[in-house]
Amino acid sequence: KQEVTQIPAALSVPEGENLVLNCSFTDSAIYNLQWFRQDPGKGLTSLLLIQSSQREQTSGRLNASLDKSSGRSTLYIAASQPGDSATYLCAASSNTGKLIFGQGTTLQVKP
Amino acid sequence: NAGVMQNPRHLVRRRGQEARLRCSPMKGHSHVYWYRQLPEEGLKFMVYLQKENIIDESGMPKERFSAEFPKEGPSILRIQQVVRGDSAAYFCASSQGQGMEETQYFGPGTRLLVL
Repeated sequence: KQEVTQIPAALSVPEGENLVLNCSFTDSAIYNLQWFRQDPGKGLTSLLLIQSSQREQTSGRLNASLDKSSGRSTLYIAASQPGDSATYLCAASSNTGKLIFGQGTTLQVKP
Repeated sequence: NAGVMQNPRHLVRRRGQEARLRCSPMKGHSHVYWYRQLPEEGLKFMVYLQKENIIDESGMPKERFSAEFPKEGPSILRIQQVVRGDSAAYFCASSQGQGMEETQYFGPGTRLLVL
């Protein structure tokens, strides 16, 4: 049974810092791994999707990596801004396409 | 191209009533997923549907919950005889192809409160 864990549960950084969010999964037989952002009371916004055959994906200030052998993914946020404050969720995709989510990391970027 | 739409956004029901949650996928998407987010918990998969077919319902509670995605119209998640423990945010997501190869796009959610 796939389990996804995210560390840390919460993170507070000053504006401008680079930061890394961690995600680990127990079953390396994933099809893809997605990172999402969730703002309070809102839905999820897809940030990056890494196919199982890929090692990383980049979008703007975001870079996500995937290491299937170690069961880990990281989301790197460069030059953080207050607008980046949100909960970040990683999710591993099963063979049927369903997503198994971690508990999330709540990020606060202080001006 | 409108995103995934869910309605209602907020729903209040008394114990024992029925709740009907609707999800209209993005245009051109024929795959729909339902997830539930209980208070202080993460998102949990419930069911995966394609038009007129349930593909994976491994996350659905055995009783009182059902889902459909008819040929025409939105996908419906139906909860019969609601209990307080059903209070949660229910999200649907859609994708163009099979989810393992495609990004899932999420709706804004329906927040169900059972009194």
